[in-house]
Amino acid sequence: AQKITQTQPGMFVQEKEAVTLDCTYDTSDQSYGLFWYKQPSSGEMIFLIYQGSYDEQNATEGRYSLNFQKARKSANLVISASQLGDSAMYFCAMREDSSYKLIFGSGTRLLVRP
Amino acid sequence: NAGVMQNPRHLVRRRGQEARLRCSPMKGHSHVYWYRQLPEEGLKFMVYLQKENIIDESGMPKERFSAEFPKEGPSILRIQQVVRGDSAAYFCASSPWSVRVSNQPQHFGDGTRLSIL
Repeated sequence: AQKITQTQPGMFVQEKEAVTLDCTYDTSDQSYGLFWYKQPSSGEMIFLIYQGSYDEQNATEGRYSLNFQKARKSANLVISASQLGDSAMYFCAMREDSSYKLIFGSGTRLLVRP
Repeated sequence: NAGVMQNPRHLVRRRGQEARLRCSPMKGHSHVYWYRQLPEEGLKFMVYLQKENIIDESGMPKERFSAEFPKEGPSILRIQQVVRGDSAAYFCASSPWSVRVSNQPQHFGDGTRLSIL
């Protein structure tokens, strides 16, 4: 069964430091995509980064990178040089290529301290 | 939010009333997906529609909930006889084709926050 697990309900990080948000997933499909979304307190869902299951390289988008370890079924989000504006909920999601449904984890609330 | 427009942003209804949530997809997009987010939870898939067709409504409650995406106009998620448990944020996403054959992310609207008194 498809499942996304985010084990960190809340995280703190000091401004300008890096932080890793954990995500593990479960699927029996060989072909799938992994996504991270940011949800600030204003409530919108902002797409951050995507990783395909067949991608050899870890995805990067500016200060965001995805540490993809396929054998361990993990897709951790790394945010470098944290900024105060990074304080938000972060959701990991998966979509099997045989489906169109995004399956979301329960989220991690990140608070960046000045 | 990549141009998906949802309205209203906030909606308050009393128990027993009807709630209508609207979603205008990005220009050129003919596929719409609705998700629900209960407080402190991730989003959960409700329904997938193409123009004039419901493709998958497996995540939508069988009673009181309905969705449509007419040939002209926005997609509508309709909740009849609302109850307190319907209080949630409802998000819409769109894509130009079925994301089954694409690695493109679903871009979401800002959501409608439904509160039931």
